[in-house]
Amino acid sequence: ETGVTQSPTHLIKTRGQQVTLRCSSQSGHNTVSWYQQALGQGPQFIFQYYREEENGRGNFPPRFSGLQFPNYSSELNVNALELDDSALYLCASSTDVAGGIGEQFFGPGTRLTVL
Amino acid sequence: AQSVTQLGSHVSVSEGALVLLRCNYSSSVPPYLFWYVQYPNQGLQLLLKYTSAATLVKGINGFEAEFKKSETSFHLTKPSAHMSDAAEYFCAVTGGGSNYKLTFGKGTLLTVNP
Repeated sequence: ETGVTQSPTHLIKTRGQQVTLRCSSQSGHNTVSWYQQALGQGPQFIFQYYREEENGRGNFPPRFSGLQFPNYSSELNVNALELDDSALYLCASSTDVAGGIGEQFFGPGTRLTVL
Repeated sequence: AQSVTQLGSHVSVSEGALVLLRCNYSSSVPPYLFWYVQYPNQGLQLLLKYTSAATLVKGINGFEAEFKKSETSFHLTKPSAHMSDAAEYFCAVTGGGSNYKLTFGKGTLLTVNP
C-alpha cells in the first residue's frame, strides 16, 4: 500500500510568483486536506477536498486555491506569493468512515521558500 | 470552534525518565483528540487518538494519553524515555463532522539527554 506522497520536496520562489504543489493520496482514500506549517508553529488547516469538491476552508485568502482530480490526487495553488507563505505544506489523505471522515495520513510535506 | 494549548514549547528529560507532555483543549462539541509526532524534515505520524471510547488511550512506541473532560486535558505520557523519542509532538483536536478539520497546538519539542 503506497502512502501519501508530495512533490516537490523543496521549492524556492520569489515574491509575486505562483506555485503549484502536488499530493497523491493513499490508495483507497477519497479526501485530501492541506495544512500550512510555518517554522516553529503547528500545522494550520488550509482546506479540504472530498470527492473533487471543496469541503471546508480555513482562514486563508482566496489566492490559496486547490483542485482534486478523479483519482483523488490534489493540487494546492498559491498565487502572488508573499514572504509569509514560506512554510512546510502538508497534505493528508483520509476516507469515509461511519459518522464522518477517518484518520488523516500525512505526507512528508513540501518546503516552500519565498525570497 | 476548537483550540489547543500545549504547555511548554520545549521539554527536556533524561533517558529512562518519565515523559509528560501537556495538552489542554477547548471545544464547543465533544472532541476527538490526537497526538502526532514529527521527526526532523518529515511529516506527521499519528501516535494515538481519543474518539469517545476509553478515556485512557494507548498508542505506538509506548505512549499513552488520558482524556480528562473535567480538566479539558489530554496529556501524553511515556514511562521511560528513549533517545529515539526526541522529536516535536503536536496535540490536535477536531469536533468531527463532515470535514474533520484538525486544529493543532504549537507543538512541544522533546529532547532526551543520555
